[in-house]
Amino acid sequence: ETGVTQTPRHLVMGMTNKKSLKCEQHLGHNAMYWYKQSAKKPLELMFVYSLEERVENNSVPSRFSPECPNSSHLFLHLHTLQPEDSALYLCASSRSGQGAANEKLFFGSGTQLSVL
Amino acid sequence: GESVGLHLPTLSVQEGDNSIINCAYSNSASDYFIWYKQESGKGPQFIIDIRSNMDKRQGQRVTVLLNKTVKHLSLQIAATQPGDSAVYFCAEKTGANNLFFGTGTRLTVIP
Repeated sequence: ETGVTQTPRHLVMGMTNKKSLKCEQHLGHNAMYWYKQSAKKPLELMFVYSLEERVENNSVPSRFSPECPNSSHLFLHLHTLQPEDSALYLCASSRSGQGAANEKLFFGSGTQLSVL
Repeated sequence: GESVGLHLPTLSVQEGDNSIINCAYSNSASDYFIWYKQESGKGPQFIIDIRSNMDKRQGQRVTVLLNKTVKHLSLQIAATQPGDSAVYFCAEKTGANNLFFGTGTRLTVIP
């Protein structure tokens, strides 16, 4: 195991639903990330939190709302999603985060999201 | 801007043979590179990394080669096993910027 746990593993939701994805890291890291993984596309960075402060938001639609209550937990709140938002959502953590060179990411297993 | 790409989207190798997965990058200022392995139903798993001041680094059964002249990165897997079947991603980093990922190569090991 990587030390990064994501729940749920699978989620099916309608376009009018509100749901949340949860991520927890047990590595003592200071930075956490949300990535979107779609078929045949590179991993897309969505949000970065460093020491619980959002440091990057890559032009993600407002129907995705992140929350980082502490350095070990990260949420992604979803509402009024579109079918094209169906993808694997990956959470990751790193030791230092923004501004750190030569730093690897540790990923969770992801939440496979299907929007109907 | 940066781009990280892979020469081949799929690669099939016989069990026991060596595998070579290639990656091209376009930002000559990138100074850190990582290879990740992603098995079905799992998130990307770190395999090996290399800094730009090196041209080769070895791990257990894996070797990463970096050719900065042609901006090329490769991952060599020795004595490929069925458990090596997965999608392999390269990623590059420039200083304090975030990692930038390629699209991945699917490696299939034939028993």
